[in-house]
Parts: sequence; structure tokens; C-alpha cells
Amino acid sequence: DAGITQSPRYKITETGRQVTLMCHQTWSHSYMFWYRQDLGHGLRLIYYSAAADITDKGEVPDGYVVSRSKTENFPLTLESATRSQTSVYFCASSGLRGPRGADTQYFGPGTRLTVL
Amino acid sequence: SQQGEEDPQALSIQEGENATMNCSYKTSINNLQWYRQNSGRGLVHLILIRSNEREKHSGRLRVTLDTSKKSSSLLITASRAADTASYFCATDASGANSKLTFGKGITLSVRP
Repeated sequence: DAGITQSPRYKITETGRQVTLMCHQTWSHSYMFWYRQDLGHGLRLIYYSAAADITDKGEVPDGYVVSRSKTENFPLTLESATRSQTSVYFCASSGLRGPRGADTQYFGPGTRLTVL
Repeated sequence: SQQGEEDPQALSIQEGENATMNCSYKTSINNLQWYRQNSGRGLVHLILIRSNEREKHSGRLRVTLDTSKKSSSLLITASRAADTASYFCATDASGANSKLTFGKGITLSVRP
């Protein structure tokens, strides 16, 4: 089915472990984004990508690594998970900037990550 | 840092009433977008208003934009219990990419 998917939906891990969250979109959107959502902070941008092999930092990139070898995939890796990375993670995609400015974003269902 | 700041943080109304939510921002924007998030789900785009537009309608939604005051409002008319959700404004202040900056959100509860 077309859309944007995330896996896993729920993940429990331990401090110090490496965790990879997957994101896949079927629209061939140029842009992809990773956000984290925490109570009191709203949605904060971690990393984004304008195209395959082009990534850039967002507001809170420390402790995270991304890659984008294919347009449709944008995995997010926590190299050594910490308790402060317990959060809900959302992936989103959008098309190119147009006459209206930034395009609308389409969000995945989220991954709830708990770091013990 | 947050570009958009929503107000109020929480709103509780009776079904059938109108709900008005506000968003203020700090820098010049190209467009402003409103999103809805149901509990446990991802955000869903509702409406986009460009900086040269003052008002836009979509079904029961009405969005206004006042660039001189750097503020926007989202009005939901004749609210329903199904409108219960969190609402976020997001601003496009970038010049070359499709990044948006989201506010912290407004929690709307519609009582049946």
C-alpha cells in the first residue's frame, strides 16, 4: 500500500546499544525528515534529507546518524542509546519546494522508543 | 528554537461549538501550515496558507494569517467529538529547502 511506513512501531532497548529506526516512503518524495516528539517540547527536527546522499542536521542531531542511499529509505541510527533518547520518533516526507513555499509533509505512524 | 507558538495550550469545548486556536511566530515566513495529530498517530496536514493570503477555507476549517502581527488562527466550526486531537502550526521560514518548524501544539477536547 502506498504511503510512508516506519518500523519497528515499538522498541525497548538498553543504554549503550545501537538502534536503527527505519522509514520507507513510496511517493518518491525528494525530502525526508526525522523528528522526535517529547512532552513539553513539541516536534523537534533531528535530521533531514533533500535527496539521496544529501543529509543535513536539524535542531537536535547529537547522538543520531542518518543515511540515504535510496530515495525511498531514510534510516535513523542511535549509535549508543541514552535514556534521554526515550521518545516518539516520526519520519516524514515531502515534495520539492514550489511556488507556495515548503511543501506539505506526510508523516509516518511513529516509533515509540524506550531506552532503559 | 520554536518558531510557532500556539495558544491556548489546551482547549475544552462542547460538541457543536466553535474552536479557535492561535499561532504566533517570530520571523518572516513563506507559508504557514496547520496539522492535526490524533492520539498515538502521526501528524496529518490540514491546510496551508501562503504569506500573501489572508484567509483560507477548507470544509469546517477557516485559517487566517496576519503577517503584520505574525500570527495565524485556526477556526473549527460546529466541532465534533472526532475533532478531539492535538493541533500544530508549522512555519516555512526557509529560503531553499522544505523544512518546517513546528510549535508545541494545542490539545483540543470536544465533549459529546
